[in-house]
Formats: sequence, structure tokens, C-alpha cells
Amino acid sequence: QVQLVESGGGLVKPGGSLRLSCAASGFTFSDYYMSWIRQAPGKGLEWVSYISSSSSYTNYADSVKGRFTISRDNAKKSLYLQMNSLRAEDTAVYYCARRRVDTASDAFDIWGQGTMVTVSS
Amino acid sequence: DIQMTQSPSSLSASVGDRVTITCRASQSISSYLNWYQQKPGKAPKLLIYAASSLQSGVPSRFSGSGSGTDFTLTISSLQPEDFAAYCCQQSYSTPYTFGQGTKLEIK
Repeated sequence: QVQLVESGGGLVKPGGSLRLSCAASGFTFSDYYMSWIRQAPGKGLEWVSYISSSSSYTNYADSVKGRFTISRDNAKKSLYLQMNSLRAEDTAVYYCARRRVDTASDAFDIWGQGTMVTVSS
Repeated sequence: DIQMTQSPSSLSASVGDRVTITCRASQSISSYLNWYQQKPGKAPKLLIYAASSLQSGVPSRFSGSGSGTDFTLTISSLQPEDFAAYCCQQSYSTPYTFGQGTKLEIK
């Protein structure tokens, strides 16, 4: 079935780095834009970044621009988020999500289960 | 950035009730509005896309309406499994932004 599975979360000190991965299955990964979205404990959802199907285009929230890098490997059906210079405010559950785009709509239709990132000394 | 404001932030209702949740955008977003349901400890689930289109597999008791800046999510007859949090999201422009959420609780 269509599935996204994140991994790579954990506890990291402020200023540290972490790389998240998201493994896709059940659909043609290379056909879709993909995104990372996060949710701080007890808070709402925050879009982090997206990448186009061929990696030609990327976009980032201002809160992570210059610190986070999104990438993908279509041969491995995998999405990545390299997170550097981590701050306490980056503490959140990080979800990868498939972005379904057509002429009149644009939505995150498939989500992974999430991976927790905690930034603390 | 486009701000998304939901109301109410919480709502108590009973099984069988009809409920409506409102989402307002700080500027016109045409029909680029999506609704998600999230249960505790779980990932969000897409319910409605493009303001009024029902996602495949979602029960028909869920419906959405609106365009421009004002949108609504309606659940026609609440079922026990509908007690969850709901949030809206605009996909008109980046940064994509979400409403703060509405927690639907059992009365």
C-alpha cells in the first residue's frame, strides 16, 4: 500500500546536526513533489520545505532557510532533510508528506507517521 | 505570509450533531484550501482538498465550502471516530500555512 516511513530523529544538542530520511513505497515516487512538515509539542503544523519531483526546485520556510537542506534519491525512493545548526525551537515531530498537485488543487495527501527531533543540552 | 485563522479553537458536541468549523485567510486564496483531521499521536489525514473536493475514502458526512477568504468544514452527523482535531491549510502560495486547529470533543 501507499506508505511513507520516516527515520533518523533523536536527541541532539543545540548547534548540532541531524539527517532525517523518509522511505516511500506503493507509488511512483519520482512522479511527486515531496515535503517536510513539522509539529512542535502541543502546537500546530508548520510547513518546512518542499522539493520537486526531479529535484529541480526546492523551497524553504524562513525559519529554516540556510540551515536545512531537502534532497531526494528517486532510485532509492527516499526523501531526506539535512538539519544543521539546530535550535531548541526546532524540537518537533517531523513528517514527510506527498504533495499532490494538479491544475486546481495542491494538497498533502499522504503522510508518514513522523519522527521526533529533540534539541536540548 | 498568509495567515489562517480557525474558529472555534475547541468545540464540544454529541454523536449525531451537525458541526461547522470556519477558516479565514488573511488574503484571497481562491479555492486553494485543504482540511485535515488529526488524532492524538497520529499523522494528519487529508479530508477535503480544493475547498470542497472530498478525498478518496473519506465519508460523505464531511463536506467543505467557500472560496476567497472564508471557508467551512461541515460534519453532517458526528460519529464517535470523528472526535479529533481539525485544521485548514492554504496551498495558494509559499510558505504554506496551517490554521491553529480546532479540537472537537465529546459533550
